[in-house]
Amino acid sequence: GAVVSQHPSWVICKSGTSVKIECRSLDFQATTMFWYRQFPKQSLMLMATSNEGSKATYEQGVEKDKFLINHASLTLSTLTVTSAHPEDSSFYICSARGLADGNSPLHFGNGTRLTVT
Amino acid sequence: GDSVTQMEGPVTLSEEAFLTINCTYTATGYPSLFWYVQYPGEGLQLLLKATKADDKGSNKGFEATYRKETTSFHLEKGSVQVSDSAVYFCALRFSGNTPLVFGKGTRLSVIA
Repeated sequence: GAVVSQHPSWVICKSGTSVKIECRSLDFQATTMFWYRQFPKQSLMLMATSNEGSKATYEQGVEKDKFLINHASLTLSTLTVTSAHPEDSSFYICSARGLADGNSPLHFGNGTRLTVT
Repeated sequence: GDSVTQMEGPVTLSEEAFLTINCTYTATGYPSLFWYVQYPGEGLQLLLKATKADDKGSNKGFEATYRKETTSFHLEKGSVQVSDSAVYFCALRFSGNTPLVFGKGTRLSVIA
């Protein structure tokens, strides 16, 4: 089945540094990737939608300059949390949609737990 | 906009008890409906899905039926196990470049 690999699975960084999270589709071409954020004991909130080769579309309230999303190829999207602060600590999950997915379920990465100290 | 409403948790059950987690949705049109499960410290896994009215999704003893008339997709399992302890998310999605819209999740704890 379709596999999405997300890396790293966890990261601890100091306040003010930047962290890059990678999301790769391993056996299919991901035309669209979605980035979600999950706060402890809460649901997943969509942050942005990225289509290969174009700028990401951010949800209301998500700072595009803080959460940089790049989707340069059909198998890789990256989320960079710039100048991270403790309030950015969260669980980030990517999901991907292939060319022929229609209304099929999206494929999810295993998530990245970010802790900013 | 489209939304999903799930029953509030946490839900605590004894092993072998019957489980129901209610889920209703609001959407313009007829989306596909999904249940995802998140085990502690892990990402999301698709549990089951239904793509049209009256479809029944089933997996690992869990079932849910797409009810258009009540806009519901309640999750049921006849006999839960300790290993079913997790957070369950109901979600909807339309075809095309659309994301999943999630409910808030329901935490299930099954005790031996």
